Amino acid sequence: QSMLTQPPSASATPGQRVTISCSGSSSNIGTYTVYWYQHLPGTAPKLLIYSNNQRPSGVPDRFSGSKSGTSASLAISGPQSEDEADYYCAAWDGSQKVLFGGGTKLTVL
Amino acid sequence: EVQLLESGGGLVQPGGSLRLSCAASRFTFSSYAMIWVRQAPGKGLEWLSSINGDGGVTYYADSVKGRFTVSRDNSRNTLYLQMNSLRAEDTAIYFCCKSKDFGDSLPQWWGQGTLVTVSS
Repeated sequence: QSMLTQPPSASATPGQRVTISCSGSSSNIGTYTVYWYQHLPGTAPKLLIYSNNQRPSGVPDRFSGSKSGTSASLAISGPQSEDEADYYCAAWDGSQKVLFGGGTKLTVL
Repeated sequence: EVQLLESGGGLVQPGGSLRLSCAASRFTFSSYAMIWVRQAPGKGLEWLSSINGDGGVTYYADSVKGRFTVSRDNSRNTLYLQMNSLRAEDTAIYFCCKSKDFGDSLPQWWGQGTLVTVSS
């Protein structure tokens, strides 16, 4: 496996809850923890979630992460316009490499 | 706040070489693994390489193994990526990243990136 699987796009209105999925296998997500990043083009990506569900200080609590088996999810409760960005999951793989997801572009309608 | 400043990017011909540097500050450099990630135009993030805190353990993506070499100078708080046999598909923004601990290979903090263009 060369990449984790994410939907290419997602959309939500400010009052909705939106989830972004990330699918892997037993050699990566099934064994190791998942990280989530937010990336606005032209800027440095930002760590949103580490160790499946931990938020670094300064990340709003509307962002949450979860993992079950070989899949993980990022949830955004009540997304705001500034949350329009690309979102990536990542995990260590037992073949001694890091895998990123292909990225999900979030549109806030 | 952590600071990571990449340099060394630019235009290089196919088959050429380039060395990227990343000057780190405001944290104890030798205590953390460091990582290189790139983003090609219109593409997603791609992990390239990781090196642990003392430089004794390195990992590479298949796409760069044998062509790229990661190293670090803990006395200078600097991370390097030596890139040889460059190809057009290596054109990308290259990000230097700090991990969460000595041996972790996933990024916690990212630099602003440096652009590498491989073209004749």
